[in-house]
Amino acid sequence: DSGVTQTPKHLITATGQRVTLRCSPRSGDLSVYWYQQSLDQGLQFLIQYYNGEERAKGNILERFSAQQFPDLHSELNLSSLELGDSALYFCASSRGLAGRYEQYFGPGTRLTVT
Amino acid sequence: AQSVTQLGSHVSVSEGALVLLRCNYSSSVPPYLFWYVQYPNQGLQLLLKYTSAATLVKGINGFEAEFKKSETSFHLTKPSAHMSDAAEYFCAVPASNTGNQFYFGTGTSLTVIP
Repeated sequence: DSGVTQTPKHLITATGQRVTLRCSPRSGDLSVYWYQQSLDQGLQFLIQYYNGEERAKGNILERFSAQQFPDLHSELNLSSLELGDSALYFCASSRGLAGRYEQYFGPGTRLTVT
Repeated sequence: AQSVTQLGSHVSVSEGALVLLRCNYSSSVPPYLFWYVQYPNQGLQLLLKYTSAATLVKGINGFEAEFKKSETSFHLTKPSAHMSDAAEYFCAVPASNTGNQFYFGTGTSLTVIP
């Protein structure tokens, strides 16, 4: 158990819908990362927050957004869903900003868009 | 920017045989390198971390990796494969400029043949 929790574990929804994925980092971790993992794209970095502020952006679509709240939990919002958005979405947390801090991953949310 | 390349998307070894999973980093020497393992239907778990304090790094489950500057490599090895080692393995490096973003390799799927 990494200490990072993600809900829900599975999500099935229809095209055009909007969903929210939730992540709670390990106790004491200030940095949260979101990743998308699919068979054809591999593990793609989406976005990172540190202590409530956005700090790095990767291959995140405009239809996707995220935020980190004062209690440090984070939410990833996916809207106007398309079939291609079906994937595993992982949240990870780390102690700080620098590259020396390893990331701890949650169990993931499996999103299926039908 | 930093990047890593994993040679061999699929590796098969017999139980008890040597495991060698390859990872090469881009030309500039990274201060940190990581190996992660992902078991089926789970999130990524840290195997080991290179910090430049030692070129040979020991990790969990009997794995180790050696940093070789002359070969720009950080290959993962285990002397004797167990069935439980069957998983996906990812090499990762922090982005060189900010360190906030991690670049993950495309992964190597390890199959252990009984």
